Amino acid sequence: GENVEQHPSTLSVQEGDSAVIKCTYSDSASNYFPWYKQELGKGPQLIIDIRSNVGEKKDQRIAVTLNKTAKHFSLHITETQPEDSAVYFCAASFFSGGYNKLIFGAGTRLAVHP
Amino acid sequence: GAVVSQHPSWVICKSGTSVKIECRSLDFQATTMFWYRQFPKQSLMLMATSNEGSKATYEQGVEKDKFLINHASLTLSTLTVTSAHPEDSSFYICSASSQGGGEAFFGQGTRLTVV
Repeated sequence: GENVEQHPSTLSVQEGDSAVIKCTYSDSASNYFPWYKQELGKGPQLIIDIRSNVGEKKDQRIAVTLNKTAKHFSLHITETQPEDSAVYFCAASFFSGGYNKLIFGAGTRLAVHP
Repeated sequence: GAVVSQHPSWVICKSGTSVKIECRSLDFQATTMFWYRQFPKQSLMLMATSNEGSKATYEQGVEKDKFLINHASLTLSTLTVTSAHPEDSSFYICSASSQGGGEAFFGQGTRLTVV
């Protein structure tokens, strides 16, 4: 079945460094790839997304790259700040039962140390 | 941006009682709403999907008679956990989508504790 793998499960960086989180997906028909940030006790917040007709997208310190051939996509955070500390989830769309659904990776716990 | 409001943010109930969780899209019409369950330090697991005015579609292993979903309007969906048991304790999160392309926005989540 559809699957999204996410690595690493935990990531610790110093403030100002870059952080990279990688995901692979199994369904070649997937065409939408969002990234969510989840803080403790809260719902996931959409931070950036990319569609399959684009290879890269950037929004200030956050960027996402997509390689459709290899079926993997990555989140890049530059100049990390302590407030970036959270759990990040990647997701990939898949069509099932008449709906366009999202399947999530296992999550990456990012810790940014001052 | 798109805002999804979920209520309550937390609830404690006794075993055997039912609990209703509301999910509202505040500034857009949500043709599709999704309900997820999340255990501590785990990912989001899709429970069911619903369109306004139609029956929900449940994922494999999710009991439709236990987790009742009503998508009464384009801005409101409810999840009722019936005859709750301690093992139903979890973080329940809804998301809403107005497009067919997968973009979805999440509510704040509801922490359910069954004692």
